[in-house]
Amino acid sequence: EAQVTQNPRYLITVTGKKLTVTCSQNMNHEYMSWYRQDPGLGLRQIYYSMNVEVTDKGDVPEGYKVSRKEKRNFPLILESPSPNQTSLYFCASSFRDAGNRGQPQHFGDGTRLSIL
Amino acid sequence: AQSVTQPDIHITVSEGASLELRCNYSYGATPYLFWYVQSPGQGLQLLLKYFSGDTLVQGIKGFEAEFKRSQSSFNLRKPSVHWSDAAEYFCAVGVRSNDYKLSFGAGTTVTVRA
Repeated sequence: EAQVTQNPRYLITVTGKKLTVTCSQNMNHEYMSWYRQDPGLGLRQIYYSMNVEVTDKGDVPEGYKVSRKEKRNFPLILESPSPNQTSLYFCASSFRDAGNRGQPQHFGDGTRLSIL
Repeated sequence: AQSVTQPDIHITVSEGASLELRCNYSYGATPYLFWYVQSPGQGLQLLLKYFSGDTLVQGIKGFEAEFKRSQSSFNLRKPSVHWSDAAEYFCAVGVRSNDYKLSFGAGTTVTVRA
């Protein structure tokens, strides 16, 4: 079954304690991305990756890091989390279609982070 | 930069009735356009997408959307809704200069009453 798997699904933590949200896809997709969802704002892109070792900033990258060492994995790292990063996070992946378009097609179920 | 407006925050519709969700975009050229659905506690699912060509696009779950360049709109429609269509719906716009970037609207929550 085609899947994008995020872990953990829920996390409550404290300001400044480094955390990593993992994302893994089993579809051999080239493109992966991270979004945060906040009420009234829709989804905003944090980072995206076009392939292994190729990443770039989205609209709201401040306070986040990513890496793409393997094609299937795209972890999101919060080095020093702050309360304004409390949000619902989604990882997404997609393949390159005939038009070379990589907009997200498969989403994980989300990770709800609470930073106290 | 591109942007998306979904004018309706919440819509309530009776089961079996038709549904139309509005989406207006702002972009200087022809954009890529998408509709996603999010069921409670789940990620987003792609319903349909428009890149070029026929302006009426068919999607999954019986949905369709029509691209109207003159109105900068991409409204989503379904002729007869089912209780399982209760969810949040997001319109998104992409640009041809960056295949990886999407801008999402704030979403429309659909409630289906029996």
